[in-house]
Amino acid sequence: GAVVSQHPSRVICKSGTSVKIECRSLDFQATTMFWYRQFPKQSLMLMATSNEGSKATYEQGVEKDKFLINHASLTLSTLTVTSAHPEDSSFYICSAKGLFQYQETQYFGPGTRLLVL
Amino acid sequence: AQSVTQPDIHITVSEGASLELRCNYSYGATPYLFWYVQSPGQGLQLLLKYFSGDTLVQGIKGFEAEFKRSQSSFNLRKPSVHWSDAAEYFCAVGPPPFGNEKLTFGTGTRLTIIP
Repeated sequence: GAVVSQHPSRVICKSGTSVKIECRSLDFQATTMFWYRQFPKQSLMLMATSNEGSKATYEQGVEKDKFLINHASLTLSTLTVTSAHPEDSSFYICSAKGLFQYQETQYFGPGTRLLVL
Repeated sequence: AQSVTQPDIHITVSEGASLELRCNYSYGATPYLFWYVQSPGQGLQLLLKYFSGDTLVQGIKGFEAEFKRSQSSFNLRKPSVHWSDAAEYFCAVGPPPFGNEKLTFGTGTRLTIIP
């Protein structure tokens, strides 16, 4: 149990375009989802936290108009990188938590590699 | 403010040898501690977690970790490593995990296994 998927696993886009990354909890209801960014050989940096049906809470320094997060259902959250630029290239990882046995730990997705040309 | 220190950036061990990865934390209340493993290009997999009780915690893949409050440490150990254990290991600390808690991650330790 507690499987989280991300789609796509990797994406290449042109500078100025927008990219949407999906994060799904496959076998539990994710009341809270987290979005992280990881630079090469570095740790995970939390970008934002979202609760189903509510606006996301962004960490200091993260542009909410650039990184749009939607958590419209208990199994799906999306991160849209708007007007992407090369400096947005990174590894984006989501995690999810739920209720009962799923509330003690964050369950991580496999990540999405974004390359902006 | 909470923080996690993993002093070893990179560790190399021989297959079959024992392993210990260090983790020190700074936290103002009762810490909730985690070890995750990340294979190249993959997400994070939970190895084990400590909330309370027995300070020696058993995890998956033969890993264990010991919580030492006096030393603010939560070191990860394995008696005999396998080539498949080569990966990046992250220690994390957070508040009670019953809400929108934010985990703070260490910078990771990359483990290389040599034959």
